[in-house]
Amino acid sequence: NAGVTQTPKFRVLKTGQSMTLLCAQDMNHEYMYWYRQDPGMGLRLIHYSVGEGTTAKGEVPDGYNVSRLKKQNFLLGLESAAPSQTSVYFCASSYVQQETQYFGPGTRLLVL
Amino acid sequence: GNSVTQMEGPVTLSEEAFLTINCTYTATGYPSLFWYVQYPGEGLQLLLKATKADDKGSNKGFEATYRKETTSFHLEKGSVQVSDSAVYFCALSGPNNNDMRFGAGTRLTVKP
Repeated sequence: NAGVTQTPKFRVLKTGQSMTLLCAQDMNHEYMYWYRQDPGMGLRLIHYSVGEGTTAKGEVPDGYNVSRLKKQNFLLGLESAAPSQTSVYFCASSYVQQETQYFGPGTRLLVL
Repeated sequence: GNSVTQMEGPVTLSEEAFLTINCTYTATGYPSLFWYVQYPGEGLQLLLKATKADDKGSNKGFEATYRKETTSFHLEKGSVQVSDSAVYFCALSGPNNNDMRFGAGTRLTVKP
Protein backbone atom coordinates (compact mmCIF):
# COMPACT_ATOMS: atom_id res chain seq x y z
CA ASN A 1 0.00 0.00 0.00
CA ALA A 2 1.79 3.13 -1.23
CA GLY A 3 -0.85 5.53 0.15
CA VAL A 4 -0.61 8.91 -1.57
CA THR A 5 2.24 9.51 -4.00
CA GLN A 6 3.23 12.69 -5.82
CA THR A 7 5.43 13.31 -8.83
CA PRO A 8 7.74 15.05 -9.32
CA LYS A 9 9.41 15.69 -5.96
CA PHE A 10 11.11 18.88 -7.08
CA ARG A 11 10.90 21.10 -10.15
CA VAL A 12 12.32 24.39 -11.32
CA LEU A 13 10.34 26.39 -13.89
CA LYS A 14 10.87 29.65 -15.67
CA THR A 15 8.11 32.26 -15.60
CA GLY A 16 5.50 31.45 -18.24
CA GLN A 17 6.26 27.74 -18.48
CA SER A 18 3.61 25.14 -17.83
CA MET A 19 3.66 21.90 -15.90
CA THR A 20 1.45 19.24 -14.39
CA LEU A 21 1.76 17.74 -10.93
CA LEU A 22 0.46 14.22 -10.54
CA CYS A 23 -1.13 12.77 -7.42
CA ALA A 24 -2.10 9.12 -7.08
CA GLN A 25 -3.77 7.25 -4.23
CA ASP A 26 -4.41 3.55 -3.83
CA MET A 27 -6.88 3.69 -0.93
CA ASN A 28 -10.03 3.99 -3.07
CA HIS A 29 -10.78 7.40 -1.56
CA GLU A 30 -13.54 9.52 -3.01
CA TYR A 31 -12.17 12.90 -1.96
CA MET A 32 -8.88 14.37 -3.16
CA TYR A 33 -7.30 17.75 -2.50
CA TRP A 34 -4.46 20.00 -3.61
CA TYR A 35 -2.89 22.37 -1.09
CA ARG A 36 -0.02 24.79 -1.17
CA GLN A 37 2.15 25.42 1.85
CA ASP A 38 3.87 28.75 2.32
CA PRO A 39 5.88 29.92 5.35
CA GLY A 40 3.69 31.27 8.14
CA MET A 41 0.46 30.56 6.25
CA GLY A 42 -0.22 26.93 6.94
CA LEU A 43 -1.87 24.98 4.14
CA ARG A 44 -4.28 26.62 1.75
CA LEU A 45 -6.64 24.64 -0.42
CA ILE A 46 -6.27 25.17 -4.15
CA HIS A 47 -8.83 22.76 -5.63
CA TYR A 48 -10.54 19.61 -4.53
CA SER A 49 -12.62 16.77 -5.91
CA VAL A 50 -15.50 14.86 -4.33
CA GLY A 51 -15.36 12.02 -6.83
CA GLU A 52 -14.25 10.90 -10.27
CA GLY A 53 -15.07 13.50 -12.89
CA THR A 54 -15.73 16.30 -10.38
CA THR A 55 -13.63 19.29 -9.35
CA ALA A 56 -14.27 22.39 -7.25
CA LYS A 57 -12.41 25.55 -6.31
CA GLY A 58 -10.80 25.99 -2.95
CA GLU A 59 -9.44 29.04 -1.22
CA VAL A 60 -6.70 29.98 -3.74
CA PRO A 61 -7.63 28.56 -7.17
CA ASP A 62 -6.38 31.32 -9.47
CA GLY A 63 -3.61 30.26 -11.86
CA TYR A 64 -4.29 26.55 -11.40
CA ASN A 65 -6.45 23.94 -13.09
CA VAL A 66 -7.23 20.37 -12.07
CA SER A 67 -8.65 17.20 -13.50
CA ARG A 68 -9.90 13.94 -12.01
CA LEU A 69 -10.43 11.61 -14.93
CA LYS A 70 -9.74 8.51 -12.84
CA LYS A 71 -10.72 7.99 -9.24
CA GLN A 72 -7.17 7.30 -8.13
CA ASN A 73 -5.53 10.29 -9.86
CA PHE A 74 -5.79 14.03 -9.33
CA LEU A 75 -3.75 16.32 -11.57
CA LEU A 76 -2.80 19.91 -10.83
CA GLY A 77 -1.83 22.09 -13.78
CA LEU A 78 -0.06 25.41 -14.00
CA GLU A 79 -0.65 26.90 -17.45
CA SER A 80 1.70 29.87 -17.12
CA ALA A 81 3.86 29.72 -14.02
CA ALA A 82 4.55 32.85 -11.99
CA PRO A 83 7.11 33.44 -9.20
CA SER A 84 4.18 33.76 -6.75
CA GLN A 85 3.50 30.07 -7.35
CA THR A 86 6.82 29.10 -5.79
CA SER A 87 5.68 26.85 -2.97
CA VAL A 88 5.45 23.32 -1.67
CA TYR A 89 2.41 21.51 -3.03
CA PHE A 90 0.69 18.72 -1.14
CA CYS A 91 -1.92 16.33 -2.34
CA ALA A 92 -4.26 14.61 0.08
CA SER A 93 -7.15 12.18 -0.02
CA SER A 94 -9.94 11.05 2.29
CA TYR A 95 -12.72 8.49 2.19
CA VAL A 96 -15.45 10.89 3.25
CA GLN A 97 -15.81 14.52 4.22
CA GLN A 98 -14.84 15.40 7.80
CA GLU A 99 -12.62 12.36 8.00
CA THR A 100 -8.85 12.08 8.22
CA GLN A 101 -6.92 13.26 5.19
CA TYR A 102 -3.85 11.33 4.06
CA PHE A 103 -1.05 13.40 2.60
CA GLY A 104 1.57 12.80 -0.03
CA PRO A 105 5.23 13.74 0.54
CA GLY A 106 4.94 17.03 -1.36
CA THR A 107 6.34 18.64 -4.49
CA ARG A 108 8.70 21.57 -4.12
CA LEU A 109 8.27 24.02 -7.00
CA LEU A 110 10.54 26.96 -7.71
CA VAL A 111 9.49 29.47 -10.36
CA LEU A 112 12.22 31.80 -11.51
CA GLY B 1 -16.58 30.86 7.32
CA ASN B 2 -14.72 28.19 9.23
CA SER B 3 -11.27 29.06 10.52
CA VAL B 4 -8.57 27.95 12.92
CA THR B 5 -6.22 30.08 14.99
CA GLN B 6 -3.26 28.47 16.66
CA MET B 7 -0.47 29.64 18.86
CA GLU B 8 2.38 31.21 17.00
CA GLY B 9 5.79 29.71 17.32
CA PRO B 10 8.45 28.81 17.31
CA VAL B 11 8.38 26.96 20.60
CA THR B 12 11.62 25.69 22.11
CA LEU B 13 11.57 23.32 25.07
CA SER B 14 13.99 21.14 26.95
CA GLU B 15 13.50 17.40 26.90
CA GLU B 16 10.89 16.19 29.44
CA ALA B 17 9.21 19.61 29.61
CA PHE B 18 5.44 20.02 29.42
CA LEU B 19 3.99 21.11 26.10
CA THR B 20 0.85 23.10 25.33
CA ILE B 21 0.01 24.43 21.89
CA ASN B 22 -3.19 26.46 21.87
CA CYS B 23 -5.79 26.13 19.13
CA THR B 24 -9.16 27.85 18.84
CA TYR B 25 -11.67 27.60 16.05
CA THR B 26 -14.63 29.32 14.47
CA ALA B 27 -17.26 27.16 12.83
CA THR B 28 -20.96 26.68 12.40
CA GLY B 29 -22.39 23.41 13.59
CA TYR B 30 -20.18 20.61 14.88
CA PRO B 31 -16.90 20.26 12.99
CA SER B 32 -14.36 17.50 13.42
CA LEU B 33 -11.06 18.67 14.89
CA PHE B 34 -7.58 17.38 14.11
CA TRP B 35 -3.94 17.78 14.98
CA TYR B 36 -1.48 16.94 12.24
CA VAL B 37 2.31 16.74 12.57
CA GLN B 38 4.87 17.44 9.87
CA TYR B 39 8.42 16.16 10.30
CA PRO B 40 11.19 17.79 8.27
CA GLY B 41 10.94 17.07 4.56
CA GLU B 42 7.73 15.07 4.89
CA GLY B 43 4.01 15.51 4.33
CA LEU B 44 1.51 15.96 7.11
CA GLN B 45 0.34 12.96 9.08
CA LEU B 46 -2.53 12.67 11.48
CA LEU B 47 -1.55 12.87 15.13
CA LEU B 48 -5.00 12.75 16.75
CA LYS B 49 -8.59 13.78 16.19
CA ALA B 50 -11.93 14.32 17.91
CA THR B 51 -15.30 14.32 16.23
CA LYS B 52 -17.69 15.59 18.91
CA ALA B 53 -17.76 17.82 21.96
CA ASP B 54 -15.89 16.55 25.05
CA ASP B 55 -14.11 13.86 23.03
CA LYS B 56 -10.44 13.46 23.86
CA GLY B 57 -8.06 12.46 21.11
CA SER B 58 -4.77 10.87 22.11
CA ASN B 59 -1.73 9.35 20.44
CA LYS B 60 1.99 8.93 21.27
CA GLY B 61 1.51 10.72 24.60
CA PHE B 62 -0.20 13.73 23.02
CA GLU B 63 -3.75 14.66 24.02
CA ALA B 64 -6.35 17.23 23.01
CA THR B 65 -9.94 17.69 24.21
CA TYR B 66 -12.74 19.08 22.03
CA ARG B 67 -14.16 21.97 24.07
CA LYS B 68 -17.34 23.32 22.51
CA GLU B 69 -17.89 25.96 25.20
CA THR B 70 -14.50 27.58 24.61
CA THR B 71 -14.20 26.52 20.92
CA SER B 72 -10.76 25.12 21.65
CA PHE B 73 -8.68 22.02 20.94
CA HIS B 74 -5.38 22.59 22.72
CA LEU B 75 -2.57 20.06 22.22
CA GLU B 76 -0.70 18.83 25.30
CA LYS B 77 2.06 16.41 26.15
CA GLY B 78 3.42 15.80 29.60
CA SER B 79 7.03 15.09 28.71
CA VAL B 80 8.40 15.96 25.28
CA GLN B 81 11.28 14.19 23.58
CA VAL B 82 13.81 15.36 21.01
CA SER B 83 11.99 13.20 18.45
CA ASP B 84 8.84 15.36 18.90
CA SER B 85 10.57 18.25 17.12
CA ALA B 86 8.28 19.04 14.19
CA VAL B 87 5.63 21.46 12.97
CA TYR B 88 2.15 20.93 14.43
CA PHE B 89 -1.03 21.97 12.65
CA CYS B 90 -4.48 22.30 14.11
CA ALA B 91 -7.30 21.75 11.61
CA LEU B 92 -11.05 21.48 11.34
CA SER B 93 -13.36 19.89 8.81
CA GLY B 94 -17.04 20.38 8.05
CA PRO B 95 -19.86 20.08 8.57
CA ASN B 96 -20.89 22.76 6.09
CA ASN B 97 -17.93 22.65 3.76
CA ASN B 98 -15.99 20.01 1.89
CA ASP B 99 -12.51 21.14 2.77
CA MET B 100 -10.27 21.15 5.81
CA ARG B 101 -9.06 24.43 7.28
CA PHE B 102 -5.60 24.53 8.80
CA GLY B 103 -3.93 26.80 11.29
CA ALA B 104 -0.62 28.44 10.40
CA GLY B 105 1.40 25.75 12.16
CA THR B 106 3.60 25.83 15.26
CA ARG B 107 7.21 24.77 15.02
CA LEU B 108 8.40 22.86 18.08
CA THR B 109 12.07 22.29 18.81
CA VAL B 110 13.03 20.06 21.73
CA LYS B 111 16.60 20.31 22.98
CA PRO B 112 18.36 17.51 24.87
